[in-house]
Amino acid sequence: DAGVIQSPRHEVTEMGQEVTLRCKPISGHNSLFWYRQTMMRGLELLIYFNNNVPIDDSGMPEDRFSAKMPNASFSTLKIQPSEPRDSAVYFCASSLATFAETQYFGPGTRLLVL
Amino acid sequence: AQKITQTQPGMFVQEKEAVTLDCTYDTSDQSYGLFWYKQPSSGEMIFLIYQGSYDEQNATEGRYSLNFQKARKSANLVISASQLGDSAMYFCAMREVGGTSYGKLTFGQGTILTVHP
Repeated sequence: DAGVIQSPRHEVTEMGQEVTLRCKPISGHNSLFWYRQTMMRGLELLIYFNNNVPIDDSGMPEDRFSAKMPNASFSTLKIQPSEPRDSAVYFCASSLATFAETQYFGPGTRLLVL
Repeated sequence: AQKITQTQPGMFVQEKEAVTLDCTYDTSDQSYGLFWYKQPSSGEMIFLIYQGSYDEQNATEGRYSLNFQKARKSANLVISASQLGDSAMYFCAMREVGGTSYGKLTFGQGTILTVHP
């Protein structure tokens, strides 16, 4: 079975550019999560969706960040404009909707903003 | 206050020996889930083991077991018979049910485990 798929795996961009990260959750999973990992802040949840609806976006750092889930098999996280402090690894994870279900992580996107 | 505390930034263990990675948590919920993930140097997050707050027995998955002490709010990971491939960062995480926390995973800062031959 395919796991969570993320693209691109690596992204290098210049400050001010728009960055779009993509995620395909595991088929049948109805919850999707975006996390960011940095040395300073560790792993932090940015936003999560349940049945394609954003449930909690309190972790989104500021208006430059936006996320969408137009259907059950695709989500995007967009940063516009990007800044050097956005450099991090961005993970997408998916699970079934009940709280006890395990979240399975994608391989992550390593973002470097110059 | 930290919801998940991992007090050991780094741990060392000899190959084939057992090691315990500590995790304490803070919640007022009665229903919650505790998870351990492994992150090797390649960067992916690998699920290891899950313990539900109502589970009476400690969870086990192969060489991994979770020493769950509810009254102490601790959920330590025990790795038996360590292997060189166990060298990685290990994260403890909690998933709460109450209020806006529903479904969210809160992670600890992680423990780097190094297995020596």
